Amino acid sequence: EAGVAQSPRYKIIEKRQSVAFWCNPISGHATLYWYQQILGQGPKLLIQFQNNGVVDDSQLPKDRFSAERLKGVDSTLKIQPAKLEDSAVYLCASTGQVLYEQYFGPGTRLTVT
Amino acid sequence: AQKVTQAQTEISVVEKEDVTLDCVYETRDTTYYLFWYKQPPSGELVFLIRRNSFDEQNEISGRYSWNFQKSTSSFNFTITASQVVDSAVYFCALSEAYSGNTPLVFGKGTRLSVIA
Repeated sequence: EAGVAQSPRYKIIEKRQSVAFWCNPISGHATLYWYQQILGQGPKLLIQFQNNGVVDDSQLPKDRFSAERLKGVDSTLKIQPAKLEDSAVYLCASTGQVLYEQYFGPGTRLTVT
Repeated sequence: AQKVTQAQTEISVVEKEDVTLDCVYETRDTTYYLFWYKQPPSGELVFLIRRNSFDEQNEISGRYSWNFQKSTSSFNFTITASQVVDSAVYFCALSEAYSGNTPLVFGKGTRLSVIA
């Protein structure tokens, strides 16, 4: 079974630029999460999808962050415009039939200069 | 509100030593799940264990063991006879249990370095 795929793995941009990250969850997994992991901290939830609907986006900075999961499969997270404090690893995770087990992708490391 | 505290920021041990990683949690829920994840240098979070709040039995898996004590709100993780490959950041996490898909609340992690 293929794991959670994410791309790109690394991205360097200047502040005020835009960036997008892509995630493909494990096949058949209905729930998809995006977490932000700032250096030296644990991951923090940004947004959770159930199929193509948003379950929780209370911690998503909506003035600059957006996310979608149009067909209930893969998802895109966008930042526009980026700030220095957005430098972090963005992790995607999914949950399927085995509840309470989240499978994480390798993450996208974003550096904003 | 839920909170997970991992007071040990970094631990360094010599290979073959035993090491315990501490985790203390806060929640108002009576039903919840606790987790440990390993994050090696590659960055991917690797699931190690899940424990529900009604199961206080300790668990052993090879060189890994977990001690869950509800009375002290702790869920500690012990690695016996540590190896260099155990070097990683370890995260303790908590989730509510009202559905199977609730997001995880993570601690800040403990960086373990095992020296040969």
